Formats: sequence, structure tokens, C-alpha cells
Amino acid sequence: EVQLVESGGGLVQPGGSLRLSCAASGFTVNTNYMTWVRQAPGKGLEWVSVIYSGGSTYYADSVKGRFTISRHNSENTVYLQMDSLRPEDTAVYYCARVRVTRMDVWGQGTTVIVSS
Amino acid sequence: EIVLTQSPGTLSLSPGESATLSCRASQSVTSSYLAWYQHKPGQAPRLLIYGASSRATGIPDRFSGSGSGTDFTLTISRLEPEDFAVYYCQQYGSSPLYTFGQGTKLEIK
Repeated sequence: EVQLVESGGGLVQPGGSLRLSCAASGFTVNTNYMTWVRQAPGKGLEWVSVIYSGGSTYYADSVKGRFTISRHNSENTVYLQMDSLRPEDTAVYYCARVRVTRMDVWGQGTTVIVSS
Repeated sequence: EIVLTQSPGTLSLSPGESATLSCRASQSVTSSYLAWYQHKPGQAPRLLIYGASSRATGIPDRFSGSGSGTDFTLTISRLEPEDFAVYYCQQYGSSPLYTFGQGTKLEIK
């Protein structure tokens, strides 16, 4: 069964760091595009970052320079390292598999709260 | 940057009725780059339509997509109770690579 399971969310103070994990099963992350999408409380979906199968990475302007997407092939896991966190980064973070133009498999999400 | 504007913000309908959701782009979008998702509270978003009109695996034929250029539509016929959710359109393109509309909430009347 194709599945994604996120973990690593929690409560962190402004300026702090957190690393999210997305464990995949049923397919390999290094042969697919993988992305992170977030949803702030009461808001819609916002694309955050993507890592291509070739290793190229891209970011939304709102997180560029603060977040880093990566993958660990042997663990079949994608990560999102989040540094210099701000209250506006508070959201549910979803991991998804990307078929170039669309996101066809999604995880259940992990919640990040940035607050003092 | 392409902005996607969805309308209406909220749509109140009864089971059995049909729903028409609109997604308008600020610039022309390649049809093959336009997708629709369904999102229910506490659940993962679900891909419904890709390439503007192709149904994703397992999606009932009550869901259909159409449109081109700057105007796209998601139509849901014969609404079932499980169809009431928030719907998002999404495009793939230049910076940012992926853009979502603000969503349309389909609620039970």
C-alpha cells in the first residue's frame, strides 16, 4: 500500500528549530518528486517546498533561507528542517508525492505550533 | 506569479443537487497543469482531477473538471453526504512552482 506518515511536529518558541519527517511506504522517495504543503489555522493550503528525483530543491519565498528539504534514500524518508521559526509558520504540515504537476498521495499531516 | 481565485467562497447545497465550483487564474494556465483537491477536516487532502479534466484513480464519475486558459470548473453532480468538504484548485508553473486557490467550502444546506 502506498502511504506517507509525517512526524516531528510540536510546540517550539519563535526563533527555534524543528525537523519534520515523512516516511514513505509502497514506493521509493528518490525516484519521485516529494513536497511539503502546509495549512495555517483557518487558512487554505500553501505550498512550502519540493525535492525532485534528481535532487534539485525549490522553496516558497516565505520559507526560503529558513527551511531545507532533504531525503534519506535508505530510510525512504523525506525531511523538512525548519530554522528561525516564526509564529506565522504555525500550521499543519503535509507531505505529498508529486507527479510533476499534481500531488497524488498525501500524508495525514503533523502540527507545528510556534509560540512563546 | 499566478494567482488562483476560487468562487464562491462558500456554497450551500442539498444532497442530490449539483455543485459548480470556479477557479480563475490571473494569467493563462496550461490545462495539463491544473488540478483539483478535496479536503476534509482532520484528513489528508485527496487528488480529484488533474490535467483540468482527468479523474484521479478511484474518483467517482460524479466529479468532472473542465476549462482552459484562465477559467476552470469543477462540477459535482448528484451530491452525496461525503462530498461536503473544502475544494482547492492548484496550478504548476513558474515561481512559485505550485499555487493553490483559497478554497471553496461546500456545505450542507
